Amino acid sequence: DQQVKQNSPSLSVQEGRISILNCDYTNSMFDYFLWYKKYPAEGPTFLISISSIKDKNEDGRFTVFLNKSAKHLSLHIVPSQPGDSAVYFCAPSTRAGGTSYGKLTFGQGTILTVHP
Amino acid sequence: NAGVMQNPRHLVRRRGQEARLRCSPMKGHSHVYWYRQLPEEGLKFMVYLQKENIIDESGMPKERFSAEFPKEGPSILRIQQVVRGDSAAYFCASSAPGGAKNIQYFGAGTRLSVL
Repeated sequence: DQQVKQNSPSLSVQEGRISILNCDYTNSMFDYFLWYKKYPAEGPTFLISISSIKDKNEDGRFTVFLNKSAKHLSLHIVPSQPGDSAVYFCAPSTRAGGTSYGKLTFGQGTILTVHP
Repeated sequence: NAGVMQNPRHLVRRRGQEARLRCSPMKGHSHVYWYRQLPEEGLKFMVYLQKENIIDESGMPKERFSAEFPKEGPSILRIQQVVRGDSAAYFCASSAPGGAKNIQYFGAGTRLSVL
């Protein structure tokens, strides 16, 4: 049962253009959504997050949009740079109890390639 | 300001041996999570621990796998009697206690190869 789906295994864009990575989820209990970036042979690196009470969060070149009714979020990178080439994971979470959060549920990832 | 430290980075074991993977969380973090990434797949949650307590082990296989996070020292993920299907990258993450966010910071992982 895949609760988090990133339907595009790969995405190729030209340097300077916008990259849009999509993520769909089914579990309505998810209330905090994170994006991670991962290079080969390294651990995931936190990129940006959004709470379920918001519909947009922006940090520099990165913006995440959340559509709760559609259970869909997207990550926009603009302008894209060759150094952005990596695997991007969508990873929602729920509260484990009290104020603490528990596990992240990762999508399968999207391989982004930015061409110079 | 050291990040999450995992060792060893690479571990080779023969079938039937034991594997011990270590994770030291970031300074000030008392929550530790273990994830496994099989080839061509995303990361799958295994277990969430706080000091001396297992909070959520819903992703742990029922047999041969155990985890601990003692009062002193690193968190340990232990796999007994390894089989070829255990070959994977194992990632540890840590987060700060409390708060409204769950930003988990990951180590570089331990790549386990079972011969």
